[in-house]
Amino acid sequence: AQSVSQHNHHVILSEAASLELGCNYSYGGTVNLFWYVQYPGQHLQLLLKYFSGDPLVKGIKGFEAEFIKSKFSFNLRKPSVQWSDTAEYFCAVILSGTYKYIFGTGTRLKVLA
Amino acid sequence: SAVISQKPSRDICQRGTSLTIQCQVDSQVTMMFWYRQQPGQSLTLIATANQGSEATYESGFVIDKFPISRPNLTFSTLTVSNMSPEDSSIYLCSVIQGGYNEQFFGPGTRLTVL
Repeated sequence: AQSVSQHNHHVILSEAASLELGCNYSYGGTVNLFWYVQYPGQHLQLLLKYFSGDPLVKGIKGFEAEFIKSKFSFNLRKPSVQWSDTAEYFCAVILSGTYKYIFGTGTRLKVLA
Repeated sequence: SAVISQKPSRDICQRGTSLTIQCQVDSQVTMMFWYRQQPGQSLTLIATANQGSEATYESGFVIDKFPISRPNLTFSTLTVSNMSPEDSSIYLCSVIQGGYNEQFFGPGTRLTVL
């Protein structure tokens, strides 16, 4: 069965540190990839998405993610985190042409001021 | 993007009772989804609700436990029936908009079953 793995369950960083959150999926076909963020007390929001084209995608708030097809990965990065980036981050995959999302288990990021 | 509201935002219920969660969207959408997010776990799709047809349930979820209604293109309900503490979770509805099956989520309903 298809699955999505997020290896970092909890991450603590100081402000201005660089961030990279890992996401790997298990499916050999064409996929669409997403990162969602859930700030404390708020609902899930789309951070960025990849459907095709340039494998380096840029999202809101300075986040970016790189799709590496050979590694089945879609890691999220930010060069310099802020206290306001404290949130839970979810990677999600859908098989191209379908609508069923498969979510990773999420990564809780805490940024220390 | 769609704006989605859910009622109630949270509830505490007794074992054996049922709770109906409402999901309202500010625009007409064909597909609505219900997810469960258990503590410390990922989001799990419960069912897909299309207007005018029976909901489609994922493996491990059954209609008797999670009956769903979809009376029109902007509204859906999910009932959690005969609740047990294991049903304590956040329940979210979502919709698809746009050409790339991008999903938008409601704020969730936090359910605690005693």
